[in-house]
Amino acid sequence: QSALTQPRSVSGSPGQSVTISCTGSSSDVGGYEYVSWYQKHPGKAPKLLIYDVTKRPSGVPYRFSGSKSGNTASLTISGLRGDDEADYYCCSYAGTSSYIFGSGTEVTVL
Amino acid sequence: EVLLVESGGGLVKPGGSLRLSCTASSFVLGSYTMNWIRQAPGEGLEWVSSISSSGSYIHYAESVKGRFTISRDNAKNSVYLDMSGLGVEDTALYYCARDLIGYYSFEYWGQGLLVTVSS
Repeated sequence: QSALTQPRSVSGSPGQSVTISCTGSSSDVGGYEYVSWYQKHPGKAPKLLIYDVTKRPSGVPYRFSGSKSGNTASLTISGLRGDDEADYYCCSYAGTSSYIFGSGTEVTVL
Repeated sequence: EVLLVESGGGLVKPGGSLRLSCTASSFVLGSYTMNWIRQAPGEGLEWVSSISSSGSYIHYAESVKGRFTISRDNAKNSVYLDMSGLGVEDTALYYCARDLIGYYSFEYWGQGLLVTVSS
């Protein structure tokens, strides 16, 4: 099972918004409302940003929001900040207690 | 603070075996489904295996099925990954991760443990 497709990189200036897409299939992203997003800084453990497509864990800023349409999920970062510069991964439940991650997107703050 | 500390990584020859451990601090690991997730050098994340809180339900990615075994000892607040038949493709940073209870996502992750398979 191939990784979910994410753009290799996106960039934006401080204060702008960027959106990262995550494309799968009807067997994963399109088939379940169980997409999550993770932020990973180099050398650090991944951090959960979004679960169940749109929900934010306690402590995650409102600047991070998730959505989904068909087989594609999206993460939008509003009011881009320097410390948002990191790799971002989507993940979808894929049935029978398995998961599939995205290929990862590097966010650069210009 | 939720802490997950992995141990047991290192260098192993192709075909060899290794046991990874993950010990939890500040929470009762036995209440949670636990997972192993890995990241090969320069690659994305890959879910490897999960084990339910009681240990009754266990699942593996196809890429490791038959070679890796996940287990847990709730009395020791620990989860394990026994890896055998290792190949160079198993070289990765291995993370243990705690489920967000009731949801299909990973709430807390360890710092990661490097496993290198090389002759």
